[in-house]
Amino acid sequence: AQTVTQSQPEMSVQEAETVTLSCTYDTSESDYYLFWYKQPPSRQMILVIRQEAYKQQNATENRFSVNFQKAAKSFSLKISDSQLGDAAMYFCAYRGVPNAGNMLTFGGGTRLMVKP
Amino acid sequence: GAVVSQHPSRVICKSGTSVKIECRSLDFQATTMFWYRQFPKQSLMLMATSNEGSKATYEQGVEKDKFLINHASLTLSTLTVTSAHPEDSSFYICSARSGEGANIQYFGAGTRLSVL
Repeated sequence: AQTVTQSQPEMSVQEAETVTLSCTYDTSESDYYLFWYKQPPSRQMILVIRQEAYKQQNATENRFSVNFQKAAKSFSLKISDSQLGDAAMYFCAYRGVPNAGNMLTFGGGTRLMVKP
Repeated sequence: GAVVSQHPSRVICKSGTSVKIECRSLDFQATTMFWYRQFPKQSLMLMATSNEGSKATYEQGVEKDKFLINHASLTLSTLTVTSAHPEDSSFYICSARSGEGANIQYFGAGTRLSVL
């Protein structure tokens, strides 16, 4: 079974600075998808960024980028120029290749605090 | 991104009553929907996966007679908590995935259930 581990229960960053959230996973599959979701105080889950395992290039979405190390099974999220609105729970998630039955496996989450 | 509507956002009920939560995909057809439960400061726990027109697949430890799931159409899934008890109080989140480009799950805003 796949597992996703987020080793940092809480992180703190100064506004405008950069922070990196860690995520490791365990799988025997060669093709899969990885995601970072944000859950602000409203509890609405928001997709931040996703990465296809077959792509070597790291995904980037504006201030958000990932460092995907397939051999190490590591998938960290870097947030640049942190903003107060980035404060939230961040969940790393794994999913195997698309089929009707596959579901997301979530990590335990990292609470990010942004200091003004 | 795609929109998933979840209703109600908050419900308070008496012990012994049943509560129905609706999850609708507003601008896409969801061949697969997922129901999660989230305890305070914890990650999302998958309860069940439902495919349109077939019986839901429940995760180990989730009582199917307690949590009735119906996925009668490609845009609607419902979760009914039957004979609710205080220990069922939690935050329930639905998620939907379309049949095309099916590697992104979109989430509803969640339902906070409080059983008195």
